[in-house]
Amino acid sequence: NAGVTQTPKFRVLKTGQSMTLLCAQDMNHEYMYWYRQDPGMGLRLIHYSVGEGTTAKGEVPDGYNVSRLKKQNFLLGLESAAPSQTSVYFCASSYGGLARRGTQYFGPGTRLTVL
Amino acid sequence: GQQVMQIPQYQHVQEGEDFTTYCNSSTTLSNIQWYKQRPGGHPVFLIQLVKSGEVKKQKRLTFQFGEAKKNSSLHITATQTTDVGTYFCAGRPGGTSYGKLTFGQGTILTVHP
Repeated sequence: NAGVTQTPKFRVLKTGQSMTLLCAQDMNHEYMYWYRQDPGMGLRLIHYSVGEGTTAKGEVPDGYNVSRLKKQNFLLGLESAAPSQTSVYFCASSYGGLARRGTQYFGPGTRLTVL
Repeated sequence: GQQVMQIPQYQHVQEGEDFTTYCNSSTTLSNIQWYKQRPGGHPVFLIQLVKSGEVKKQKRLTFQFGEAKKNSSLHITATQTTDVGTYFCAGRPGGTSYGKLTFGQGTILTVHP
C-alpha cells in the first residue's frame, strides 16, 4: 500500500495564480484532512471531509476550496494565490468509526511558495 | 474554540539527558494523540491516550494523560540522536471519539552528541 500520497511535492506560484493540490489514499479511510504547517504555528486544519461528497471548514479555510468527489481523493484548491499562503501543506486521512480511534496518517507534504 | 498549548517550543539537550514536553488544552478532551515529525518529514502517529490518568510507555518514551483530561506530557529518558524532531500533541474535544484534531504548536527537540 502506498498510504497517503500528495502531488506535487514542490510548487512555486506567482501572486494571483491558481493551483490544485491532490491527495490520494489507498486505505479506504472515510475521513480526510488538509493542514498547513508554518514555523511556530504547528499544524492548522484548513478543510476536512467525513465522506465522499462532503466537506467542512477547519480552523483556517479562507482562500482555499476543497472537493471530495471520490472517497480516495481530496483536492485542495487555491483560486488566487497570495504570499500568505506560502507554507507546507499536509494531507491526512483516518478511519471514521470508533474502532480505530481516528489515528491520522499523513502524506509527505507539498511545499508551496507564492511570490 | 478549543486551544491546545504546548511547551516548550524548543529544547536542546545533550545525548543521554532526559526530555519532557507538556500539552495543555483549554477544554476537556475526549482523547489525545502524540505525533513525531522528523526534520523534512511528515507527522507520524506515536500513541493515543483515552482514559483519565492513563500512562503508557514505548521503550524510552512515557506518555501521560491528566486526571482532568485537559493536559498531557511526553517524557523521553536518556535521549538519543534518533529522537531529534518535532513532537506534537493533538487533542480531540470531549464528547467526540473520532474526527478532527487540534494540534499543539509542537516542541522541536535537538539532541547534541
